[in-house]
Amino acid sequence: AQSVAQPEDQVNVAEGNPLTVKCTYSVSGNPYLFWYVQYPNRGLQFLLKYITGDNLVKGSYGFEAEFNKSQTSFHLKKPSALVSDSALYFCAVRGSSGTYKYIFGTGTRLKVLA
Amino acid sequence: EAQVTQNPRYLITVTGKKLTVTCSQNMNHEYMSWYRQDPGLGLRQIYYSMNVEVTDKGDVPEGYKVSRKEKRNFPLILESPSPNQTSLYFCASSRPGQGATEAFFGQGTRLTVV
Repeated sequence: AQSVAQPEDQVNVAEGNPLTVKCTYSVSGNPYLFWYVQYPNRGLQFLLKYITGDNLVKGSYGFEAEFNKSQTSFHLKKPSALVSDSALYFCAVRGSSGTYKYIFGTGTRLKVLA
Repeated sequence: EAQVTQNPRYLITVTGKKLTVTCSQNMNHEYMSWYRQDPGLGLRQIYYSMNVEVTDKGDVPEGYKVSRKEKRNFPLILESPSPNQTSLYFCASSRPGQGATEAFFGQGTRLTVV
């Protein structure tokens, strides 16, 4: 069965410091992996995705994510955090065959402190 | 502009009073789904639809109904709402098939059942 784990409910980081939001997954076959961000009173916005190829994926707002097949991880990163990055982040996985269903993690709240 | 539109954004209702949350997308997407978001549980899929007149249960379908008479619309129906259906609801659409396309989300509907 497909699953996604976000082990941290909240991540605090000082503005200007690098940030990492962790995600691990379990899926049969090759995974399609996604990161979404949710700002207060808003829907989920797509940040980036991994399909195949380069393990480092670049996305919106300066975010990037590193796919690690051996560790089944897809951690979200940013070299220098902004206060405006404070939001709720969701990792999601979709199998590459059969179902088009997205499985979401429980979310990680990122708090960037000025 | 590509978008998924949900209405209403906020709704307070009483137990047992039937309600419908509308969802419409303008991207000609085949795949549409409904999720509920609860603290600590992330997003859980309620129902999904692969195309017109094709719908199926997600992970938490009890107490909900859907229909897909037109490609663009995918309403969520609560025939007899109960307080445990108080939640934040999201509609999403995507294009299945080749590659991994990201899902587009509506702004959300915050439902309170008293």
